[in-house]
Amino acid sequence: GAVVSQHPSRVICKSGTSVKIECRSLDFQATTMFWYRQFPKKSLMLMATSNEGSKATYEQGVEKDKFLINHASLTLSTLTVTSAHPEDSSFYICSARATSDSFSETQYFGPGTRLLVL
Amino acid sequence: AQKITQTQPGMFVQEKEAVTLDCTYDTSDPSYGLFWYKQPSSGEMIFLIYQGSYDQQNATEGRYSLNFQKARKSANLVISASQLGDSAMYFCAMREGPDNYGQNFVFGPGTRLSVLP
Repeated sequence: GAVVSQHPSRVICKSGTSVKIECRSLDFQATTMFWYRQFPKKSLMLMATSNEGSKATYEQGVEKDKFLINHASLTLSTLTVTSAHPEDSSFYICSARATSDSFSETQYFGPGTRLLVL
Repeated sequence: AQKITQTQPGMFVQEKEAVTLDCTYDTSDPSYGLFWYKQPSSGEMIFLIYQGSYDQQNATEGRYSLNFQKARKSANLVISASQLGDSAMYFCAMREGPDNYGQNFVFGPGTRLSVLP
């Protein structure tokens, strides 16, 4: 099946620094990519949806200036957590889909990135 | 090899009936966790139920129960008394390793459930 990778798998940073997380579709072209954040009690919150070549669509309550998403190519999306603070510590998961049609295409998930902000 | 297999790409169930969504997994790690998520058309991932590899009893959460067959490496989701609002995509997922490590999160391809009135 299709593979989605994330890099890095774990990152520890100091408060105030920025962290970039990459999400790559390794064997297919991902028209649409999603970024999720895992909260306590294991729920995954959808942060934003990005289509290649256009601006990401952020969910209500997600600060777009805080969580910068770039989907510059059909195989790469990046999430940059700017001026990270301890409350941003979490597990971030990306997923990718080959088309924008949610009813016809499988969504493939990356393994996740654990961010710890000290 | 696929780590999580969901063999049913689509399922139909009559309202008020029970339905079982299949999930099999593959891991050599003795410590792992199994999750089921519901994804409505909005795209969010709603956590439904969790089963730890060392849990002795099958997990239950309201109308959701997880039929955990460790020897068979299966973790089927059972939804009792289906409701129209249950129509969604359902993903089975596995976390390999202890909970506080949080790595190697693997999702299955999903099963689209449609509840018929």
